[in-house]
Amino acid sequence: DSGVTQTPKHLITATGQRVTLRCSPRSGDLSVYWYQQSLDQGLQFLIQYYNGEERAKGNILERFSAQQFPDLHSELNLSSLELGDSALYFCASSGLAGIADTQYFGPGTRLTVL
Amino acid sequence: QKEVEQDPGPLSVPEGAIVSLNCTYSNSAFQYFMWYRQYSRKGPELLMYTYSSGNKEDGRFTAQVDKSSKYISLFIRDSQPSDSATYLCATLKQGGSEKLVFGKGTKLTVNP
Repeated sequence: DSGVTQTPKHLITATGQRVTLRCSPRSGDLSVYWYQQSLDQGLQFLIQYYNGEERAKGNILERFSAQQFPDLHSELNLSSLELGDSALYFCASSGLAGIADTQYFGPGTRLTVL
Repeated sequence: QKEVEQDPGPLSVPEGAIVSLNCTYSNSAFQYFMWYRQYSRKGPELLMYTYSSGNKEDGRFTAQVDKSSKYISLFIRDSQPSDSATYLCATLKQGGSEKLVFGKGTKLTVNP
């Protein structure tokens, strides 16, 4: 158990809908990262927040947004969902700001868009 | 050309075999090289982390980086059934726009 929690574990929704994924980092970790993992693209870095501020951006679509709250939990919002958004979404956390810092991954949220 | 290429396998070996997993990358600006292990239905976990060319050993695992050929490898000695997982290589570029790029992963099965 990495200490990172993600909810929900599974999410099934329809195209065009909006969903919110939630992540609680390990106790004391200030950085939260979001990743998307699909069979086609593999694991792709989406975005990083450090202590409430956006710090690094990867291949995140404009339809997706994230934020980190004062209690350090983070939410990833996915809107206008398409079939291709079906994937595993992982959250990871680390203690420091640098993306090279060891990241601890959560168990993931499996999103299915029908 | 993808920034990180990794043979997806699958790779099936008998217990006790030496396993070699490999990746190539295209951007010479990548500075850090990592290997993650991902068990089925779990998140990835960091196995090895290297900064420069050369070898790094941790128990039965050895990570090797050759920056001149942009080639990274993970060797597993005396492989065990518990090593059965998907192994992902990752590379990181710092400075300016930080970028962390993963390979697609190689699925390894170690048969008892």
